[in-house]
Amino acid sequence: ETGVTQTPRHLVMGMTNKKSLKCEQHLGHNAMYWYKQSAKKPLELMFVYNFKEQTENNSVPSRFSPECPNSSHLFLHLHTLQPEDSALYLCASSQGAGTTLKYGYTFGSGTRLTVV
Amino acid sequence: TQLLEQSPQFLSIQEGENLTVYCNSSSVFSSLQWYRQEPGEGPVLLVTVVTGGEVKKLKRLTFQFGDARKDSSLHITAAQPGDTGLYLCAATSGTYKYIFGTGTRLKVLA
Repeated sequence: ETGVTQTPRHLVMGMTNKKSLKCEQHLGHNAMYWYKQSAKKPLELMFVYNFKEQTENNSVPSRFSPECPNSSHLFLHLHTLQPEDSALYLCASSQGAGTTLKYGYTFGSGTRLTVV
Repeated sequence: TQLLEQSPQFLSIQEGENLTVYCNSSSVFSSLQWYRQEPGEGPVLLVTVVTGGEVKKLKRLTFQFGDARKDSSLHITAAQPGDTGLYLCAATSGTYKYIFGTGTRLKVLA
């Protein structure tokens, strides 16, 4: 399987639940990202991992917890979310954090999250 | 705070028509990218422009980076239903972090 794969595609969770989003890339990229896409708002960068090290946490609430066990896998652990956290969560990768200037991001298809 | 404003927000046209969408900012950028996002999918990179005044063509799509590197346009000639989607511009001042615009949602009717 090639590209960036995200699971699940859809997730409905209650505010007291704990769930995890998974992202996997088979492109040999070294940088991985979590983005949030809400209606009528620009894509918001949440976290950046470069060579498995977190290099960016864009003031994201602690109810979102990322994990990057290796350069191919990225998780987003969710707990006690709020309804306003409902959005499309996109994972992306790039050859290196500095190479997005030339090659851009490769995005997954996203996880549509609904918090009830 | 750097902002990228895209216009129009929505555009519905007939197949065969031409259109232009815009991406504007008051900030100077070193690089700007255009992505297209289809329903149920993530954005896909179309082009990267880095030089002021640069023009790039991708089949029926023409991309231009403003001379001052503050704005960009995307022109589609003879639009087809397959061009339907959300068009996003993204720009950076020199780091790996791109900021994204709010997007132009295009619908091409057959």
